[in-house]
Amino acid sequence: DSGVTQTPKHLITATGQRVTLRCSPRSGDLSVYWYQQSLDQGLQFLIQYYNGEERAKGNILERFSAQQFPDLHSELNLSSLELGDSALYFCASSVGTSGRAPSTDTQYFGPGTRLTVL
Amino acid sequence: QKEVEQDPGPLSVPEGAIVSLNCTYSNSAFQYFMWYRQYSRKGPELLMYTYSSGNKEDGRFTAQVDKSSKYISLFIRDSQPSDSATYLCAMSARYGQNFVFGPGTRLSVLP
Repeated sequence: DSGVTQTPKHLITATGQRVTLRCSPRSGDLSVYWYQQSLDQGLQFLIQYYNGEERAKGNILERFSAQQFPDLHSELNLSSLELGDSALYFCASSVGTSGRAPSTDTQYFGPGTRLTVL
Repeated sequence: QKEVEQDPGPLSVPEGAIVSLNCTYSNSAFQYFMWYRQYSRKGPELLMYTYSSGNKEDGRFTAQVDKSSKYISLFIRDSQPSDSATYLCAMSARYGQNFVFGPGTRLSVLP
């Protein structure tokens, strides 16, 4: 158990709908990362937040958005869902990059949310 | 051409064998290199982290980085059935940001 929690575990929805995925980082971690893992694309970095602020952006579609709240939990919002959005969505957390040596800033992954768009 | 290439396998080896897993990459700005292990239906877990070129050893695992060839390797000695998993390489130009993952190599260690 990594200490990162994600809800829900599974989500089945229809095309055109909107869903929200939730992540609670490990206690004390300030950075949260979101990843998408699909069979054809592999693991893709989407976005990173550090202490409530967006830190880095990867291959995140405009239909997707995320935020990190003052209590450090994060939500990933996916809208206008398409069949191709079906994937595993992982959240990871780390202590944070500010003022920390890189070797100590390990990312710990949650169990993932499996999204199926029908 | 993908930014990070990795043979997807599956790679099957007998228990006790030495396993070699490899990734090649095209972005010369990458300087942080990581190997993750992912069991089926689980999130990835960090195995090894290396900065720049060189070798790093941790128990049965050795990570090698050759920046001149844009090639990284993970060696597993005395492989065990519990090592059966998908191994993902990942790299970034700035640690903690914009990780790029390889597609993963599926490894099966047969008892």
